[in-house]
Amino acid sequence: GAVVSQHPSRVICKSGTSVKIECRSLDFQATTMFWYRQFPKQSLMLMATSNEGSKATYEQGVEKDKFLINHASLTLSTLTVTSAHPEDSSFYICSAGSGGDGNTQYFGPGTRLTVL
Amino acid sequence: GESVGLHLPTLSVQEGDNSIINCAYSNSASDYFIWYKQESGKGPQFIIDIRSNMDKRQGQRVTVLLNKTVKHLSLQIAATQPGDSAVYFCAENTQGGSEKLVFGKGTKLTVNP
Repeated sequence: GAVVSQHPSRVICKSGTSVKIECRSLDFQATTMFWYRQFPKQSLMLMATSNEGSKATYEQGVEKDKFLINHASLTLSTLTVTSAHPEDSSFYICSAGSGGDGNTQYFGPGTRLTVL
Repeated sequence: GESVGLHLPTLSVQEGDNSIINCAYSNSASDYFIWYKQESGKGPQFIIDIRSNMDKRQGQRVTVLLNKTVKHLSLQIAATQPGDSAVYFCAENTQGGSEKLVFGKGTKLTVNP
């Protein structure tokens, strides 16, 4: 149980284009999902908390107009990187809370974004 | 890109040996802790968790120890195998508060055959 998927797993795009990444909880409902960014050899950096049916909560320093988050259902959250630039190239990972006792998060496999 | 001055702690062990990975957490109010394993190019995988009312918890080949006095967490892996090679992260959370997890820097474990 507690499987989280992400799509696509890898994307290469031109500078100035927008990229959408989907995160799905496959076997449980997640009222809260989280989006992280990870640079090589570094830890995960929380970008935002995605709440079903309401606006996402962004961490300090993360541009909400740059990284659009939509959590339309209990099993799907999307992250759109708008007008991507090479510095947005990174590994983006989502997670979903299990909803059980404790705040365990289960992670998706990640999306490697490369902006040319 | 990678920030200047940051480095990932590393641990190298021989196959069959026991491994101990340490983590110092930051918030004395944290009461829930998780260890994750991350293989190259993949998302973190849940290994084991522990609540602050416990000081030890065992899983299959893994044991987590919690010392609240010094805010220290460790992960012990018995009979380490090449498949255990990965980066290991500890994460902390405060129940009753935000669901956000705070991640440690990570430790890269390399198992030599």
